[in-house]
Amino acid sequence: EDQVTQSPEALRLQEGESSSLNCSYTVSGLRGLFWYRQDPGKGPEFLFTLYSAGEEKEKERLKATLTKKESFLHITAPKPEDSATYLCAVQFSWGKFQFGAGTQVVVTP
Amino acid sequence: DARVTQTPRHKVTEMGQEVTMRCQPILGHNTVFWYRQTMMQGLELLAYFRNRAPLDDSGMPKDRFSAEMPDATLATLKIQPSEPRDSAVYFCASGLGGTQGSYNSPLHFGNGTRLTVT
Repeated sequence: EDQVTQSPEALRLQEGESSSLNCSYTVSGLRGLFWYRQDPGKGPEFLFTLYSAGEEKEKERLKATLTKKESFLHITAPKPEDSATYLCAVQFSWGKFQFGAGTQVVVTP
Repeated sequence: DARVTQTPRHKVTEMGQEVTMRCQPILGHNTVFWYRQTMMQGLELLAYFRNRAPLDDSGMPKDRFSAEMPDATLATLKIQPSEPRDSAVYFCASGLGGTQGSYNSPLHFGNGTRLTVT
């Protein structure tokens, strides 16, 4: 069965304390892995797309990496404004997207 | 920035009433997805369309939910009759899809309709 699992469920960080979020998947026919950020009361906001193992993408303090079975979202020297729920999603070969449950990140000053 | 627009943002209704949620996808996008988000289940796919044709609605309770795209600028999700267990946030997302197997464009989400059924 196709599955997308994110860990940890929640992460509390001090400002400046770097950490990583994990997204593991068991999917046949992966067409892309996507990271989103979701703020309370808003829809998920697109961050990155990764297509193949070894690929990396960066945006400000965020860096996403991809292997054959998992992806990591690294948050370097986070700030309070990085507090959000981070979702990963995988796209199947026939166009469907499946989302993980998300990691809720809280960054305290 | 082009955005997906959803209306209404909030809806409170009584059990048994009909609920209609609307979505205006980003102009030029040819795929539309409906998701439901709850604390327990996260984001669940309800239905999706490509070029206005329904491709998969296996996530929807068929007896009470229906999804349509009357035209390229409007997608609707209807619940009739509504039940308290339908309380959730409903998201619409749109994207650019090619032929099967070639799709890898990200989805862009609206800000959702928060539905409360009492």
